[in-house]
Amino acid sequence: QKEVEQNSGPLSVPEGAIASLNCTYSDRGSQSFFWYRQYSGKSPELIMSIYSNGDKEDGRFTAQLNKASQYVSLLIRDSQPSDSATYLCAVGNRGSTLGRLYFGRGTQLTVWP
Amino acid sequence: DGGITQSPKYLFRKEGQNVTLSCEQNLNHDAMYWYRQDPGQGLRLIYYSQIVNDFQKGDIAEGYSVSREKKESFPLTVTSAQKNPTAFYLCASPAEPGDLYNEQFFGPGTRLTVL
Repeated sequence: QKEVEQNSGPLSVPEGAIASLNCTYSDRGSQSFFWYRQYSGKSPELIMSIYSNGDKEDGRFTAQLNKASQYVSLLIRDSQPSDSATYLCAVGNRGSTLGRLYFGRGTQLTVWP
Repeated sequence: DGGITQSPKYLFRKEGQNVTLSCEQNLNHDAMYWYRQDPGQGLRLIYYSQIVNDFQKGDIAEGYSVSREKKESFPLTVTSAQKNPTAFYLCASPAEPGDLYNEQFFGPGTRLTVL
């Protein structure tokens, strides 16, 4: 069973701070990595995808991937109360069943004003 | 929701009853997936289909059944054999047909409660 582990949280940061969310995965053959944001009662929304080692920035979000350490993270700069949500890490392997993703349990983030 | 619709939004089931959750997509995608989410849990794969008239069991298929008679439709039936069906059910499809990087987008979900 391929495993995806996230720091369980909850994580609480003040408005304007940097929120750091972490994820590790067990399948060394994994090739695609995603961060989803899920508001309470809603479906997950894709916010970041990363496929190569290094950093990928999109606005206030930065995804970091280190395949050697089997580690992927999401940084949220200048956190806002609207960022309060559960963040799901998902991992895929192009060599396995096409389209199959493995999800972590999520980290609940609260940004307080 | 990227062209994926699910209905109903809320569903209540009595003990021993079968219920069917609808998932429709107008994206012309071949692949579709059903996930289950429990409070504080990640998404667990129930069934998936990569093409019409073909589907495979995921990690927690027991007590569920699916059909894929049309490309745009992938209904999920929760049978009476599923002992703990109360959960949030999510249907998903890849961003692009044949997308090799597995980016998936989700429908709005159906919340099922057993009375």
